[in-house]
Amino acid sequence: VQLVESGGGLVQPGKSLKLSCSASGFTFSSYGMHWIRQAPGKGLDWVAYISSSSGTVYADAVKGRFTISRDNAKNTLYLQLNSLKSEDTAIYYCARPLRRVPFAYWGQGTLVTVSS
Amino acid sequence: EIVLTQSPTTMAASPGEKVTLTCRASSSVSYMHWYQQRSGTSPKLWIYETSKLASGVPNRFSGSGSGTSYSLTINSMETEDAATYYCQQGSSYPPTFGGGTKLELK
Repeated sequence: VQLVESGGGLVQPGKSLKLSCSASGFTFSSYGMHWIRQAPGKGLDWVAYISSSSGTVYADAVKGRFTISRDNAKNTLYLQLNSLKSEDTAIYYCARPLRRVPFAYWGQGTLVTVSS
Repeated sequence: EIVLTQSPTTMAASPGEKVTLTCRASSSVSYMHWYQQRSGTSPKLWIYETSKLASGVPNRFSGSGSGTSYSLTINSMETEDAATYYCQQGSSYPPTFGGGTKLELK
């Protein structure tokens, strides 16, 4: 299992960014996937989940601003970040479940910095 | 939302010392997962379903607990165990993490 995030960077408050997570080593279409974030020097916060059939669930802090999606043909998970705030500054990780463990496999993360 | 409280927040242990980290849930959960995060790296699954060691985890680690109280124990501290450990519950949505325990080498 390999997960590789990309798309992070410096963005102004109120702007948008789209993150990607490229998956390999497993049948991507068969698994739900998560995004988790970690603010600098802080703990871990779950952000969103998409099921194998593309049903979605969001944390309250990002509901209405972030959109999780997937392209099974490209083995890629996405997170669209809109109306960004300074408190969205974090490393964003994608993660894959294994049975009852939601975050069994993690990517290396991509840093999003929201600042003017 | 189930809140997980880890204690201590930070601690230091000497090589060979026994270490116990605790995680308390605001409501009863069916099991607990633990993740290890070394500085500058992504978290790794360490213990799952309360007491099962993830692949490659040394058997000096163990996990236990039930209901609202869980713990991770290191039988004999080693240099490589210095890291931050997070507990995480998946019994109800949203999945939540504890604030972490930073374990340092004394």
